[in-house]
Amino acid sequence: GENVEQHPSTLSVQEGDSAVIKCTYSDSASNYFPWYKQELGKRPQLIIDIRSNVGEKKDQRIAVTLNKTAKHFSLHITETQPEDSAVYFCAASVVQGAQKLVFGQGTRLTINP
Amino acid sequence: SAVISQKPSRDICQRGTSLTIQCQVDSQVTMMFWYRQQPGQSLTLIATANQGSEATYESGFVIDKFPISRPNLTFSTLTVSNMSPEDSSIYLCSVAGITEAFFGQGTRLTVV
Repeated sequence: GENVEQHPSTLSVQEGDSAVIKCTYSDSASNYFPWYKQELGKRPQLIIDIRSNVGEKKDQRIAVTLNKTAKHFSLHITETQPEDSAVYFCAASVVQGAQKLVFGQGTRLTINP
Repeated sequence: SAVISQKPSRDICQRGTSLTIQCQVDSQVTMMFWYRQQPGQSLTLIATANQGSEATYESGFVIDKFPISRPNLTFSTLTVSNMSPEDSSIYLCSVAGITEAFFGQGTRLTVV
């Protein structure tokens, strides 16, 4: 089955700097790659996603890139702010749409003021 | 979007007992998903709940331990049976929309 590896497990950056989190997946049939942000004690919230027919997607300060050949995708957050501090999860799905997600291990991002 | 309500939000249970978690969605959905998030860990899919048929379990999860009901298109329950401290986790239900997956707020279970 699908396996998703996420790095780093923890990341600390200065406010205003950029943060990059990387994930690799094993199943070349995976076609949907979302990123979730989970604040302490709260449910995961989708922040951005990308499908296998697209190489890059951007939404304001957040961008995701996908390299299907290398089977990896990355989350880029620019101009980081204290409210970006949270745990971020990447995921992949081989099933149509957002069903049966396989999650990475998570990255605890801390933005230092 | 979908609004998902889970009950209870948290519970402390004695080992050897069972807890049933309820998940209600504000719209009809074909499939509902149950995930487990162990302390400080990622989310792992337990099973897919289909209306009118038995749930489909992922590797490492069995029906005797995690029986699931799906009586209609807006509701599902997950039971954690014969609990041990290792079952202490957050359990989340989820539905997949056309473009994204939505999660309930989770049930934080502590087994003592």
